[in-house]
Amino acid sequence: DTAVSQTPKYLVTQMGNDKSIKCEQNLGHDTMYWYKQDSKKFLKIMFSYNNKELIINETVPNRFSPKSPDKAHLNLHINSLELGDSAVYFCASSRDLEAGDRGQFFGPGTRLTVL
Amino acid sequence: SQQGEEDPQALSIQEGENATMNCSYKTSINNLQWYRQNSGRGLVHLILIRSNEREKHSGRLRVTLDTSKKSSSLLITASRAADTASYFCATSDLTGANNLFFGTGTRLTVIP
Repeated sequence: DTAVSQTPKYLVTQMGNDKSIKCEQNLGHDTMYWYKQDSKKFLKIMFSYNNKELIINETVPNRFSPKSPDKAHLNLHINSLELGDSAVYFCASSRDLEAGDRGQFFGPGTRLTVL
Repeated sequence: SQQGEEDPQALSIQEGENATMNCSYKTSINNLQWYRQNSGRGLVHLILIRSNEREKHSGRLRVTLDTSKKSSSLLITASRAADTASYFCATSDLTGANNLFFGTGTRLTVIP
């Protein structure tokens, strides 16, 4: 019973393509997030989203866009992929905008390789 | 940048010893959290300490927070080989958005 799941686990694609990564959480959480972890293991917040508000990290290129068809899903769309987009992308969720004591629940990650 | 820093970058100890990792951050925070990441896996939340708390315990974990120095430490007592992983601190700022800003991580290796 995976709490936060992502598909695909691995994604290899050519530069210039458009791709999507799906994320689903079955925890009933209100807020979902996308993080990027680069080759040096630095983790950076990209987006946070609940049913009212999308907060975008200002450093994220507008080629990246989150789409939430419903409360349990937050998919990540990436247009015109670039070599520098290669990284591991993590989806996460939390109970609401307040952290609570259980922090955020992370998915297993999607390793994106742009050739 | 709100990215924190962790010290040391890598730590290798014998099973049964204690492991201490430190984290420094730059801005005022709502809370500080520690996460663990096994190789090739997602992050797992370990413990959260709020800005008005100074120390917190959870099993073999002890976390301290010094907001005047903008620093935190994570102590793992009686380490086990299964504790081998990367450990990250993450801060949640005062905007209420609950976005986490992660440190650079400490790679802990526990030798059986």
